[in-house]
Amino acid sequence: ETGVTQTPRHLVMGMTNKKSLKCEQHLGHNAMYWYKQSAKKPLELMFVYSLEERVENNSVPSRFSPECPNSSHLFLHLHTLQPEDSALYLCASSQEIQGAYGYTFGSGTRLTVV
Amino acid sequence: QKEVEQNSGPLSVPEGAIASLNCTYSDRGSQSFFWYRQYSGKSPELIMFIYSNGDKEDGRFTAQLNKASQYVSLLIRDSQPSDSATYLCAVNGNGGATNKLIFGTGTLLAVQP
Repeated sequence: ETGVTQTPRHLVMGMTNKKSLKCEQHLGHNAMYWYKQSAKKPLELMFVYSLEERVENNSVPSRFSPECPNSSHLFLHLHTLQPEDSALYLCASSQEIQGAYGYTFGSGTRLTVV
Repeated sequence: QKEVEQNSGPLSVPEGAIASLNCTYSDRGSQSFFWYRQYSGKSPELIMFIYSNGDKEDGRFTAQLNKASQYVSLLIRDSQPSDSATYLCAVNGNGGATNKLIFGTGTLLAVQP
């Protein structure tokens, strides 16, 4: 595996379900991110982890709960979501020190809340 | 005022023409600037980055930066139908210790055969 991998690619869940999104990076990066992409809106930064510590939480509702057990893995735990949470959820990583080189994105999870 | 602004398009150009994509940003302290390409249903892919005023060329792509005007652009020469995608401008938001990128809404480019 190379780059940033996300699973699952597609997810349909009811509002009462609990599910988790998984992200794994194979680039040796030190920072990982969750973004939400909705139609007609810019990418919304949700969470930032640097060296496994959460350094940013952009006023994201508590029904989204991130977890970063080590520098290669990032999870987004979902529970009691709303239909407006349907979107493409993107994981990204970067070498924090070399921030000038941007992010590498995973392929994303297309989430539909019914 | 939006932090990173792009015209949403669609920008339609004929095959072989030059496509010009523009982006303005509000944070004068921004240091790094990026262009991502995103095909429909896919994730963003980094195609160019620039952090000095002037032009940077990579194959058919040229990024242009003018920090005084807070303006960054992407030129695509000899446009091909395979270039049809949404192009996202991203700017380093100077988020302290972390590399925080702020994205625009993207410009949809359609190259007509």
